[in-house]
Amino acid sequence: GNSVTQMEGPVTLSEEAFLTINCTYTATGYPSLFWYVQYPGEGLQLLLKATKADDKGSNKGFEATYRKETTSFHLEKGSVQVSDSAVYFCALSAAGGTSYGKLTFGQGTILTVHP
Amino acid sequence: DVKVTQSSRYLVKRTGEKVFLECVQDMDHENMFWYRQDPGLGLRLIYFSYDVKMKEKGDIPEGYSVSREKKERFSLILESASTNQTSMYLCATARPLQAGGVTDTQYFGPGTRLTVL
Repeated sequence: GNSVTQMEGPVTLSEEAFLTINCTYTATGYPSLFWYVQYPGEGLQLLLKATKADDKGSNKGFEATYRKETTSFHLEKGSVQVSDSAVYFCALSAAGGTSYGKLTFGQGTILTVHP
Repeated sequence: DVKVTQSSRYLVKRTGEKVFLECVQDMDHENMFWYRQDPGLGLRLIYFSYDVKMKEKGDIPEGYSVSREKKERFSLILESASTNQTSMYLCATARPLQAGGVTDTQYFGPGTRLTVL
């Protein structure tokens, strides 16, 4: 079956540090890949996505590249801010109509950014 | 903006009670999903619905049922609540798959934190 593995957290950084959160996946075919973010007390919201190999998703200074050869979709940001403190989830959606767009999530990575 | 609302932010119930969690969306989305979120486990899909009165089991449906009588409303039912169902429950909605089978963005409600004593 499909699965997503994220790096263990929590991650604690100082403001303006470089961020990488690793994500690898197992899936048949060509899944779509997502990063969702959950700010304290809120539901999840889409951060970025990529739908085919070598696509780069980007939003709010965050980037991730769909690497089929390494089955990875690592999240990066060059300079984090205190406001980026949140839980980050990597997810995939299997290809094909019968998937109905169901998502398989990783376990989540808690990011805390200190001033 | 898509708005997904859940009936309660916090809920405390006793073991054996029947519990209803409701989700309402205002964007006319066909697909609706119920997840539970637990630390270290991420989100796990309980049930989903792709149309009125249509439902499919997700990865962990045991102990749960769902109802979708209207397009905008998707209810999660715990027939007899147990302590291991203490969790955060999240509802999400999405349009059907886009051209080429591409998955659309899922929009999430704020969640209901359920405690079963």
